[in-house]
Amino acid sequence: EVKLVESGGGLVQPGRSLKLSCAASGFSFNDYWMGWVRQAPGKGLEWIGEINQDSSTINYTPSLKDKFTISRDNAQNTLYLQMSKLGSEDTAIYYCARIVPYFDYWGQGVMVTVSS
Amino acid sequence: DIRMTQSPASLSASLGETVNIECLASEDIYSDLAWYQQKPGKSPQLLIYNANSLQNGVPSRFSGSGSGTQYSLKINSLQSEDVATYFCQQYNNYPPTFGGGTKLELK
Repeated sequence: EVKLVESGGGLVQPGRSLKLSCAASGFSFNDYWMGWVRQAPGKGLEWIGEINQDSSTINYTPSLKDKFTISRDNAQNTLYLQMSKLGSEDTAIYYCARIVPYFDYWGQGVMVTVSS
Repeated sequence: DIRMTQSPASLSASLGETVNIECLASEDIYSDLAWYQQKPGKSPQLLIYNANSLQNGVPSRFSGSGSGTQYSLKINSLQSEDVATYFCQQYNNYPPTFGGGTKLELK
């Protein structure tokens, strides 16, 4: 069974950084592109970015390219999202997802709240 | 960025009814379109990919169609468990973009 489990969310002050993790199981992690999508409260879905199997290609939505960094550790079957210079506009549920190239499996999501 | 416009934004329908949700792309996306269902408090689930291919395990009352810039999701014989928000997504061009969502409720 494919499982994606995000962690690392919580309350963070404006301007600070936070790193999310996504633990994958039930499939060969190093065979797939992986990505992050977020959803602000009561809003739609926003694609953040993606990473290929060997981390040689990483794509971001242009507006987040300077704030967010996607990485992966294939030995640990884990995807990461490093977020910096966080603002209130970054308050959202963050989902990791497997890419094929649409999203065929999603994690349960992790809430990030940016507030003083 | 390719803009994905979904309509209607909300929809109320009765059990057993047929429902159609539309998705209009701002340019040709060559059928690189997926539909997702998101139930309250849950993560999105893939329903349809490549505009008309049904994901494994999805009930056959769901179907997708369309080409070029115009796509639709059809739900036959609406069931109570279909109450959800539905999103379309194009993956033809970077960055992948989503429609604004259609909230489906029971009448």
